[in-house]
Amino acid sequence: QVQLQESGPGLVKPSETLSLTCSVSGGSISSFYWSWIRQPPGKGLEWIGYIYYSGSTNYNPSLKTRVSISLDTSKNQLSLKLSSVTAADTAVYYCARDREYCSGGSCYKYFDSWGQGTLVTVSS
Amino acid sequence: EIVMTQSPATLSVSPGERATLSCRASQSVSSRLAWYQQKPGQAPRLLIYGASTRATGIPARFSGSGSGTEFSLIISSLQSEDFAVYYCQQYHDWPPLTFGGGTKVEIK
Repeated sequence: QVQLQESGPGLVKPSETLSLTCSVSGGSISSFYWSWIRQPPGKGLEWIGYIYYSGSTNYNPSLKTRVSISLDTSKNQLSLKLSSVTAADTAVYYCARDREYCSGGSCYKYFDSWGQGTLVTVSS
Repeated sequence: EIVMTQSPATLSVSPGERATLSCRASQSVSSRLAWYQQKPGQAPRLLIYGASTRATGIPARFSGSGSGTEFSLIISSLQSEDFAVYYCQQYHDWPPLTFGGGTKVEIK
């Protein structure tokens, strides 16, 4: 059973860069897609972007100019950087395993394992 | 961007009763839809993918149906542990992958 654990500063100042790490255990980071998803307090879920084990990425257009996701396969970790943060970026940030595949003529892309999430507050 | 709309926002149901949650897409997503359950203070948990396939370990009282723009998640007999917020997610056209706003299932 793969397990994911987010870590990083819980408080970031406005205009600075939010940096989080997700450590993956119980399985290899290889051969999978990995996503970051966030949830502002009391609100719904927003997909931030994903990275494939090969290093290819895809981001939410609404965040694309500020976000970067990377992998460290030697450490079985993925990272998120979000620059120029404002109070609107205050949220619980989740990393998740992103299952993308095609089978029997149908294609799928869903999140089957999630970290517990980490709250990041943007405030001076 | 495909907008997912869930209704109702809150559903009050008595234990043992049936709950029907709806999810509507702004354009067809075929059967490329997943459902998640989220309890307070926890991460979402995958329930359904492919609109109707239960994820590993999900009880049979959870069922999904629909295609195109209209989808339903049915909980046939609500148990105490089922009171939570439920989200739908489309993966037909992305980026971005998009979620609905959620339906909270509360005890009546």
